[in-house]
Amino acid sequence: EPEVTQTPSHQVTQMGQEVILRCVPISNHLYFYWYRQILGQKVEFLVSFYNNEISEKSEIFDDQFSVERPDGSNFTLKIRSTKLEDSAMYFCASSEDRAGNYGYTFGSGTRLTVV
Amino acid sequence: KQEVTQIPAALSVPEGENLVLNCSFTDSAIYNLQWFRQDPGKGLTSLLLIQSSQREQTSGRLNASLDKSSGRSTLYIAASQPGDSATYLCAVNNLISNTGKLIFGQGTTLQVKP
Repeated sequence: EPEVTQTPSHQVTQMGQEVILRCVPISNHLYFYWYRQILGQKVEFLVSFYNNEISEKSEIFDDQFSVERPDGSNFTLKIRSTKLEDSAMYFCASSEDRAGNYGYTFGSGTRLTVV
Repeated sequence: KQEVTQIPAALSVPEGENLVLNCSFTDSAIYNLQWFRQDPGKGLTSLLLIQSSQREQTSGRLNASLDKSSGRSTLYIAASQPGDSATYLCAVNNLISNTGKLIFGQGTTLQVKP
């Protein structure tokens, strides 16, 4: 079964550093998403991306964050100048269509620890 | 604003029991609802997807129902096994969003004791 692949699985970074989280969505999917889950809290939507543009972003997704599809297969989330409160599990997801008629497939996540 | 709530927050049952997990949402204008399983420290595994026009979906020992008008969904697990121990999340896709954004509940953590 096709998978969404995320790398790295775990990243530790110092406060103030920049990190890039990487995702390879399912090849025939056109819609891409990032979510995060702070330990013990709900999974929260960050951003949706289609046709090389952001479709929607949450209040969390401020100027510190950016997304990119650099080469037609990878989908990245960049966090500039990380803060302690950015420590969370970050999930990438993809879908064939916007309405999710075929569901949403999530990756296994990147656990980001900011120290 | 759509809110998704799951009850109970935690559930412990002996092996073999049938059980029901509940999910409620405040805005009935949804495209679909999806149930996920999350093992500790791991990603989200899709279990069942119910479109707004459907009443239920089944996969093996799992059955999910949807009552859109009352803003409720249930996940029924038959003959529970220790391997079913995990956190179960429901998530809805709102019609108004139109960007594929999912809104999650906080999950029900299930423990099945041998």
